[in-house]
Amino acid sequence: GAGVSQSPSNKVTEKGKDVELRCDPISGHTALYWYRQSLGQGLEFLIYFQGNSAPDKSGLPSDRFSAERTGGSVSTLTIQRTQQEDSAVYLCASRIMGGGTDTQYFGPGTRLTVL
Amino acid sequence: AQSVTQLGSHVSVSEGALVLLRCNYSSSVPPYLFWYVQYPNQGLQLLLKYTTGATLVKGINGFEAEFKKSETSFHLTKPSAHMSDAAEYFCAVSVPKAGNMLTFGGGTRLMVKP
Repeated sequence: GAGVSQSPSNKVTEKGKDVELRCDPISGHTALYWYRQSLGQGLEFLIYFQGNSAPDKSGLPSDRFSAERTGGSVSTLTIQRTQQEDSAVYLCASRIMGGGTDTQYFGPGTRLTVL
Repeated sequence: AQSVTQLGSHVSVSEGALVLLRCNYSSSVPPYLFWYVQYPNQGLQLLLKYTTGATLVKGINGFEAEFKKSETSFHLTKPSAHMSDAAEYFCAVSVPKAGNMLTFGGGTRLMVKP
C-alpha cells in the first residue's frame, strides 16, 4: 500500500506570508505526528494527533504554528507570518494503534524556505 | 523528559570495516528505542527498534543494536560496511503509553570509503 505522502515537496515563500503543508497518512493509521528538521535544532517534535482526542501541541514553537486533522485522516500544518527561522524540512509520520506496534512511518517531508 | 546523545556527528569507515554508531539515552521510565536512517532528500526509514524482550535486536540491511540498561546505551553496529550504507543515522527514544512522540539524537553522518 501507499506510504505517507506530503505536499508540496518544496515550498519557497516570502517572510510574513502564511503557508500550509499537507500530510496524507497511511490508510488506517489513527496516530499522526509532525516533526521539524532544521540545521540548528535537529529533529524536533511539533504536534501529535490520536483519533478524536485533543491533539498534543506541546512541541509547537510559537502560536504562529497550528495544525488540524480532518476526518481523522489528512492533516494540515499552517505557519502564519513566516519567519526565516521557520526554514526547515517538515516531516509527517503516522502510526497504527494497538497490536503492539510502535513504529512511526515517515513521509518524504516538505522543504520550506523562507526568504 | 527524555534525551538522546549520539557521539560523533560524523563517522568514516572503509568499505568492509565494522560500523559502530553510538547512542546513549536518558529516560525516567523504561523507554522504547529506535534507529532510523535518512538518505539524501528522503524521509526517515526505520532500521530497528527495541521495545521489550530480547536486548539484541536485528534490523534491515544487516544492522543490529543492543539495549544495555546499565549503560543506558543502544549502539548500532554492522559487521561489514557497504558503500550503500552512507547516510545519516538517527537514534530516538519514546515513552510508551504517552503518545510515543520520538525524541531524536543529533544524528550521525556515516561515510564509507572505497
